[in-house]
Amino acid sequence: QKEVEQDPGPLSVPEGAIVSLNCTYSNSAFQYFMWYRQYSRKGPELLMYTYSSGNKEDGRFTAQVDKSSKYISLFIRDSQPSDSATYLCAMSDILTGGGNKLTFGTGTQLKVEL
Amino acid sequence: EPEVTQTPSHQVTQMGQEVILRCVPISNHLYFYWYRQILGQKVEFLVSFYNNEISEKSEIFDDQFSVERPDGSNFTLKIRSTKLEDSAMYFCASSEAKQGGADTQYFGPGTRLTVL
Repeated sequence: QKEVEQDPGPLSVPEGAIVSLNCTYSNSAFQYFMWYRQYSRKGPELLMYTYSSGNKEDGRFTAQVDKSSKYISLFIRDSQPSDSATYLCAMSDILTGGGNKLTFGTGTQLKVEL
Repeated sequence: EPEVTQTPSHQVTQMGQEVILRCVPISNHLYFYWYRQILGQKVEFLVSFYNNEISEKSEIFDDQFSVERPDGSNFTLKIRSTKLEDSAMYFCASSEAKQGGADTQYFGPGTRLTVL
């Protein structure tokens, strides 16, 4: 079983739709969860991070973590064409102090169409 | 807003040649990282670096790879004798080494390495 699994997509939605992106993981030591956005041939850009089970909201984005199920989600409300990108989940077993090796999912390619 | 920068954006080299990829991390950050992404595959951790020494490395980071902080601003990844399978996007990242809160990594735009 892979440490982090993510549906690669591609996922195509109409503008304004609610998008749900998901990752599952097997390593129960993971305690710090991030979502990065990556445009084609660019570096990952941090969108959100969370370290506790539950929801964290930032504008149109909501990150959800369920540690008991080892499942994390990113919801995008009112999706825009500019949201079209690859979304990467990443996680680490270290929260503070730095030096944490991030383990990434394969990324989900999202296209928001007009 | 401060950002991680990387040079060059694209490097083409012949198999067996040495390459040095350069990064300028965010100025007050203390932890530095290299990751790579082979085309169509996931981002993979290579190495982390703190206080002028490697703090962790992956099994990918073998004797062909080395990292260095030659001065107060640059962080480099050297591949001594490149192989075809080293062709990938190489990302540098940095973090504050934040205690008591989430220590977040910020990524550079990447260097595309093509080994012929």
